[in-house]
Order: sequence, then C-alpha cells, then structure tokens
Amino acid sequence: KAGVTQTPRYLIKTRGQQVTLSCSPISGHRSVSWYQQTPGQGLQFLFEYFSETQRNKGNFPGRFSGRQFSNSRSEMNVSTLELGDSALYLCASSSLAGGTDTQYFGPGTRLTVL
Amino acid sequence: GIQVEQSPPDLILQEGANSTLRCNFSDSVNNLQWFHQNPWGQLINLFYIPSGTKQNGRLSATTVATERYSLLYISSSQTTDSGVYFCVVGAQKLVFGQGTRLTINP
Repeated sequence: KAGVTQTPRYLIKTRGQQVTLSCSPISGHRSVSWYQQTPGQGLQFLFEYFSETQRNKGNFPGRFSGRQFSNSRSEMNVSTLELGDSALYLCASSSLAGGTDTQYFGPGTRLTVL
Repeated sequence: GIQVEQSPPDLILQEGANSTLRCNFSDSVNNLQWFHQNPWGQLINLFYIPSGTKQNGRLSATTVATERYSLLYISSSQTTDSGVYFCVVGAQKLVFGQGTRLTINP
C-alpha cells in the first residue's frame, strides 16, 4: 500500500504570493490533517478534514485554508505569504473517524518564503 | 488546552547505549503516540499507546495514564536511531511535545 504523498516537496515563494500544497492520503483513509513545523513553534495543528468536511481548525489566520476532495485528497492554500510562513508543512492520514487510530505522515513540503 | 512536556530536550549517546525518554501530559488522554522524525523530516509512528506497555524490537513504551506520563525506551542504540522523538496526544487534532533530540555517535 502506498504511503502518504505530498507535492511539491520543495517550494520557494516571495512575500505576498500565494501557494497551494497537495496531500494524497493512504488508500482508504478518509481523515487528512495538516501541520506546520517551524524551529520556534514546533509542530502545530492547522486543520483536519474528514469526508470533505473540515472538522477541526487550529489557531492560524484566515490566510491558511484547505479543502478535501471526494477521493480524500486534500489541498491547503496560503495566501499573501509572509516570511514567517517558511516552514515544513506535513499532512497525516488515518482511517477511522474517531481518532483511535495511528496517524501516518507524508514526507512534507518545505516552503521557503523570501 | 493540554500541555505535553518531554525530557530531556537533548540526549547524546554512544552506539550501544540504552536510553529512556519521558513524556508528561497535563490532562487525561485517550490517545498517545510516539513518533520518530528522521533527519530528512519524515515522521514515523513508533507506538500507539494510550495505556500499558508495548515492545517492538529494541524499542518499548509504557504509558501510565493515571499518573499522566509515558516512557519510551531504546536499547542498544544504533546511529540510525538519531533524530527527534515526539510524544503526541489527541485524536483528530494532535498536540505535539517539543521533542527529544537524540544523537547516537558511532
């Protein structure tokens, strides 16, 4: 079974631009979550989708948004990029709705904002 | 929200040594996982262990939910064990500890 995939793996953008990151979960997994990892703040929860519905959202500004498609693939978008948005963005998938299940992470997208 | 504290923050050992990593959490949890993040950033799930003890090869973990802590044991360390170990609680919204950075020198 293929693991969680994320594209692109690396991205360089300039301030003010917008970016879209993609995550394909493990086949059969319906829950996809997104996390931001920075040296200063560690790993922080962005949002979680299940069956195309956002169920949970972290404490990030509205510039961060996401969606999930009917095939469970998910995208996250960051508009009006700021230098502080430079980070490793990780997505995770799991199979059960209730969360009593292991989370599987993708390799991440490393975003650099210049 | 729930707080997750890990100790020590950094650990440097020689190959073959044993180590114990600790995780304290501020509230009762139904879900607890240990992850290893390798130097390339990939997070690998080691254990799903909300309570009790599990073992997988040289690694084992114990969670005492009533006392709100979990321990990860690594025996006979290898250089490939280097990386950051995270204790993570929560279900749909994971809360990560700050991690323990483990360096195994040959």
